[in-house]
Amino acid sequence: EPEVTQTPSHQVTQMGQEVILRCVPISNHLYFYWYRQILGQKVEFLVSFYNNEISEKSEIFDDQFSVERPDGSNFTLKIRSTKLEDSAMYFCASSPGTGFIYFGEGSWLTVV
Amino acid sequence: AQKVTQAQTEISVVEKEDVTLDCVYETRDTTYYLFWYKQPPSGELVFLIRRNSFDEQNEISGRYSWNFQKSTSSFNFTITASQVVDSAVYFCALSGVYGQNFVFGPGTRLSVLP
Repeated sequence: EPEVTQTPSHQVTQMGQEVILRCVPISNHLYFYWYRQILGQKVEFLVSFYNNEISEKSEIFDDQFSVERPDGSNFTLKIRSTKLEDSAMYFCASSPGTGFIYFGEGSWLTVV
Repeated sequence: AQKVTQAQTEISVVEKEDVTLDCVYETRDTTYYLFWYKQPPSGELVFLIRRNSFDEQNEISGRYSWNFQKSTSSFNFTITASQVVDSAVYFCALSGVYGQNFVFGPGTRLSVLP
């Protein structure tokens, strides 16, 4: 069964460093998403991406975040200058646009 | 705006007890989808069920059952004869018909004690 894959599964980075989280959505899906879950809290929407541009973003998704689909398969989330409060699980998801969203297994980011 | 409420923050039960997790939602859409996900300690989101808004039939899958009541905007989840492996955080979620505005509830942490 096709699945959304994310790398790395866990990354530790120093405060102020740039981080790129990578995702390979399911082939032929049209909509791509990033969600964040701070430890012990709810899963929060960050951004959605369709037709090579951001279609919606939350207030969490400020100027230090960016997303890109550099080629036909990858979908990346970049955090420019990480802060301690960016420590969280980041979930990538993709959808064919039928109301079904497929989540990856997540990337744990620890900022020290 | 779409919103999902799970009033139970944490529930503890003893193995073999039945447990119901509540979910109440708000949406202005006439057609939408409701979901339940399980998040075990390993962290991944495990899909359990998707229900569309025009299908109010209750569903049973093994020890799991779901009660969708459009009149009260609720989509409750019952685990029958709970097991220790059911211990996890359970999220209810809501999306538009094309997957837009996908939003999670705050989650309910279920602990099943042996």
